[in-house]
This record gives sequence, C-alpha cells and structure tokens, in this order.
Amino acid sequence: DTGVSQDPRHKITKRGQNVTFRCDPISEHNRLYWYRQTLGQGPEFLTYFQNEAQLEKSRLLSDRFSAERPKGSFSTLEIQRTEQGDSAMYLCASSLSVSTDTQYFGPGTRLTVL
Amino acid sequence: AQTVTQSQPEMSVQEAETVTLSCTYDTSESDYYLFWYKQPPSRQMILVIRQEAYKQQNATENRFSVNFQKAAKSFSLKISDSQLGDAAMYFCAYTGTYKYIFGTGTRLKVLA
Repeated sequence: DTGVSQDPRHKITKRGQNVTFRCDPISEHNRLYWYRQTLGQGPEFLTYFQNEAQLEKSRLLSDRFSAERPKGSFSTLEIQRTEQGDSAMYLCASSLSVSTDTQYFGPGTRLTVL
Repeated sequence: AQTVTQSQPEMSVQEAETVTLSCTYDTSESDYYLFWYKQPPSRQMILVIRQEAYKQQNATENRFSVNFQKAAKSFSLKISDSQLGDAAMYFCAYTGTYKYIFGTGTRLKVLA
C-alpha cells in the first residue's frame, strides 16, 4: 500500500492559464474524492467518483473545473482560465466502496495563481 | 445542512501533558461517522481516530481517545502524554453519506 499520491505537489501559474492535476488512489479503492483547502480553512468537498462515474459535483466547482477518472483508476482535475481565487491546496482522497469507509488523503497540490 | 464547528483556533500543551480539542456538529441524520484528522505542516492529512455514531463506546487509539456525546452533538479529542510529534493542525470531520464536512481546524503546539 503506497498511499494516495498527487502530482504535481506545487504549481505556480499565471491568471488565465489552464492547469491539470493528477491523483493516483490506493489501488483497491473504488471511490475517489477531490477537496479544496484554502488558508485557515478545512477542506471543502468538490466532487467524487465511484469507479469511473462522477456521482456528484459541488456548487464550488464552476464550469471552469472538470474532473475525470478514466477506467476507474487515476483521476485528473483540470482548471481552465485560472483566476487568483483558485489559489488553494487541492486534496485528493480515496476509499473502499462503502460510503462511510474511511477516506485516505494524498499530500495535495498547492496551486498559486499570479 | 450539516455543520462542524471547532471553536479553538489554537491550543498549546506541555510535552507529556494531556490536552483536549473540542468539536461540535449539527445534523438531523441518525447514522453518521465522526473523525479526527491530523495535518502536520506541509504534510498530508492522517486519520487519527474514527467514531461510529451508533456505538456508545468512545473510540481509543493508543494515546488518542474521544469523548462522544451524541445528544449534545459533541466530539472532543483527548491526547494523553503529548509528544513533540503531535504538533499539527487537527481537523474534526463528519460524514453521513460520502462527503466529509470539516471544521476549520485547531492548531496544536507542543511545548518542550
């Protein structure tokens, strides 16, 4: 068990650019979650996948955000036309199939939009 | 909507002493789970302890234990024999379905 991994760990971009983050869950975990954490706050739910199906998207996820999980393995989170307000830590978590199984978090990707 | 409140932005404890971090939540659901996660500086979030609401017995994990008061919707974390490595942000989290709802965190400082 190598844990949840995320890439890159840090990303600095200019406003208006597109960015993509990757998350690799724990191998036997069917569920994958994305959260956003801003300074001084707890993580906020963005979206989650059961295998390859995206089952819910938070209202926090504007049209500029898209997430995919092809083949139910790794997931990508893309932000188009980044804005300074997108600066945050983007956390990925994974869990087994049952809704209340414990979620295990990755190290996060810290995005800074200049 | 469910909410989680951590009213202590920062706490300090002397090494080897005991500290209690507070968490209250609001929900109308009867089945749910509560968690405490630890987030060390620049490191990933680690599960400290988990409590199922249907269990009356308080969860314990080595030096970590909870005081779960379902009627009061209170879920505090007690850390005994505090160690320097316990210094971190601690987040209380709730889930009734799949998404976690987190509090704003408590920064714990451990003084040598």
